[in-house]
Amino acid sequence: SQQGEEDPQALSIQEGENATMNCSYKTSINNLQWYRQNSGRGLVHLILIRSNEREKHSGRLRVTLDTSKKSSSLLITASRAADTASYFCAAAGGGGSYIPTFGRGTSLIVHP
Amino acid sequence: KAGVTQTPRYLIKTRGQQVTLSCSPISGHRSVSWYQQTPGQGLQFLFEYFSETQRNKGNFPGRFSGRQFSNSRSEMNVSTLELGDSALYLCASSLGRSEEKLFFGSGTQLSVL
Repeated sequence: SQQGEEDPQALSIQEGENATMNCSYKTSINNLQWYRQNSGRGLVHLILIRSNEREKHSGRLRVTLDTSKKSSSLLITASRAADTASYFCAAAGGGGSYIPTFGRGTSLIVHP
Repeated sequence: KAGVTQTPRYLIKTRGQQVTLSCSPISGHRSVSWYQQTPGQGLQFLFEYFSETQRNKGNFPGRFSGRQFSNSRSEMNVSTLELGDSALYLCASSLGRSEEKLFFGSGTQLSVL
């Protein structure tokens, strides 16, 4: 079963706009990770936020975590056409396993 | 450092055949995980190997198996292929400790006809 579930499934924006993707998970976690995947390729790790953290920044990325709501969000500011990709959240530490469990992803298209 | 290498990149097989996929992790990484990715189900965890031992296993039938060698390279095998096994198979490596990010290969795209 999916531990992480992203919302929306698809997002289409113009270059320069911000993109927000949400992730919900089911059980308690140790950490939550976000990955990016370009079409048909492997995933690339973007950011990891631990369960005792509420917010984390990395360049144009901002991740928040609300453990009471079992949810996380990924904000990409000032989007570029090169940000076009699928974005996945992966929850780890649920049920005692540290193996990241992925959602189905959000497909982001940034129009130039 | 070289990244995670998966071979072959593409495979076409017919139902009933078997297939072996290979993954070479980043040097020094002892953990190798395998995931199946399909449009409908997203990424599903298959299994994880650490120091030649299967440490975690997902919810897949016994037709899916794997192994890891002493140099940390890993193979996964799917026997008696079914149409539904068509997918992108991704391998990821890490040092094998908790709270770690995974480094993914580009995957093997398997098509079963």
